[in-house]
Amino acid sequence: ELKVEQNPLFLSMQEGKNYTIYCNYSTTSDRLYWYRQDPGKSLESLFVLLSNGAVKQEGRLMASLDTKARLSTLHITAAVHDLSATYFCAFTRSNFGNEKLTFGTGTRLTIIP
Amino acid sequence: GAVVSQHPSRVICKSGTSVKIECRSLDFQATTMFWYRQFPKQSLMLMATSNEGSKATYEQGVEKDKFLINHASLTLSTLTVTSAHPEDSSFYICSARRDRATEAFFGQGTRLTVV
Repeated sequence: ELKVEQNPLFLSMQEGKNYTIYCNYSTTSDRLYWYRQDPGKSLESLFVLLSNGAVKQEGRLMASLDTKARLSTLHITAAVHDLSATYFCAFTRSNFGNEKLTFGTGTRLTIIP
Repeated sequence: GAVVSQHPSRVICKSGTSVKIECRSLDFQATTMFWYRQFPKQSLMLMATSNEGSKATYEQGVEKDKFLINHASLTLSTLTVTSAHPEDSSFYICSARRDRATEAFFGQGTRLTVV
């Protein structure tokens, strides 16, 4: 069974602090995605990670992938209020990107001024 | 990234009526489109996968006769919620991809409220 577990489910942090969201998945993955969702909105693609050891950074967000541990992380550096949102990881499985994205439970991030 | 447009963004309908949601890929041809459903404060659940010109593949537990999916062209897929009931109220999101090697892009979502 394909499973993706994220933790924490809820995260409340102060501005300026650093934190990491973890994403564990149950089987070999071909692609690992991170998305952001604002309330009432659809998904915004943040990162696509394709290989073991991949690291990508955009602004205060950095994502990494360890395929051996079946773990991806989303690290937030010096958080600002604008980063408050729900973050989802998702993965596909196959050489080309499977038919299906399997989503994690989501992490609701609230940045407190 | 590529643009996927979903319409309408919000719809309110009466119980027993049917509602059609459109998903269009605006700047690419989408061989595959996906339909998801999201309940409040929950993750996305895949409902079905549709490939242009063929029947949709539904996930286990999704009623085919209730959620009709049509993917008649490479730029348009539709989801029709038939005989809607209040429990069908949800956020419906489509995504589309050019081919199996490319990333799927998401539409804006449709908030369906059945009263």
